Amino acid sequence: ILNVEQSPQSLHVQEGDSTNFTCSFPSSNFYALHWYRWETAKSPEALFVMTLNGDEKKKGRISATLNTKEGYSYLYIKGSQPEDSATYLCARSGGSNYKLTFGKGTLLTVNP
Amino acid sequence: GAVVSQHPSWVICKSGTSVKIECRSLDFQATTMFWYRQFPKQSLMLMATSNEGSKATYEQGVEKDKFLINHASLTLSTLTVTSAHPEDSSFYICSARNRGGGEQFFGPGTRLTVL
Repeated sequence: ILNVEQSPQSLHVQEGDSTNFTCSFPSSNFYALHWYRWETAKSPEALFVMTLNGDEKKKGRISATLNTKEGYSYLYIKGSQPEDSATYLCARSGGSNYKLTFGKGTLLTVNP
Repeated sequence: GAVVSQHPSWVICKSGTSVKIECRSLDFQATTMFWYRQFPKQSLMLMATSNEGSKATYEQGVEKDKFLINHASLTLSTLTVTSAHPEDSSFYICSARNRGGGEQFFGPGTRLTVL
C-alpha cells in the first residue's frame, strides 16, 4: 500500500447503530497514526494518536485500534448519535518528521 | 485545546490577482506551521512546512514562487497565492505545532475560488 486508504467513502446509519471505518496505510517507516473528526465549516479535531502495534484508544463512545505490522487501523463508534455526523480522517506520519499523509476520509451521516 | 484561526474563510478573486490567507495560533506559540490544500473528493495534501524565522520547505510539485509563505512570528503564518488562476481554486487549510512538537492543530480552512 503506497497511500493512506479509507473505507467506506461514506456511510449512512440510524441513530443508535454502531459502526466502524477502516484506514489502511504503508507499514514501512511508520511513526504514528492519527484520527481526526471534521465537521463542516469547522477545524479538524484530533481524536486519537497511536504509535504502537496493538494500541487501543477510547474516548467516550469512540474507540480505535492499530495494527502497524499489517498497516491498518479501525475506528469504532458505539451507539451513533446525529452529532457524530462528520468526516472522519486518518493520517499517517512516517519517520520523525511529523509530516501527515491523509486519507480521503469517511463521511458519516447519522439519521435521527 | 489549542485554537488555530484562518482568515478569510472564503474568497473569490479574478484570475491574475494575488490572494493572501492568514493562519494564526491563538493560544500557543507555533514554531512550525503546515499548509495543505484539498481538491474536491481528494485528500488533504501537504504543500509546505514553515518554521518561524526561516524559509518554508515545499513539497514536490508545489511552486514556491507561486505560493509564497511567510512565518514571521510565532503566532502568524501567511500563504499568498500569486497570480491566481482557476486551477488554483481549492480548499486551503493550515495547521500549527508548538515548540514541544507532536500534535498538529488545524484551522477551519479557506475556500478559494478563482474566476
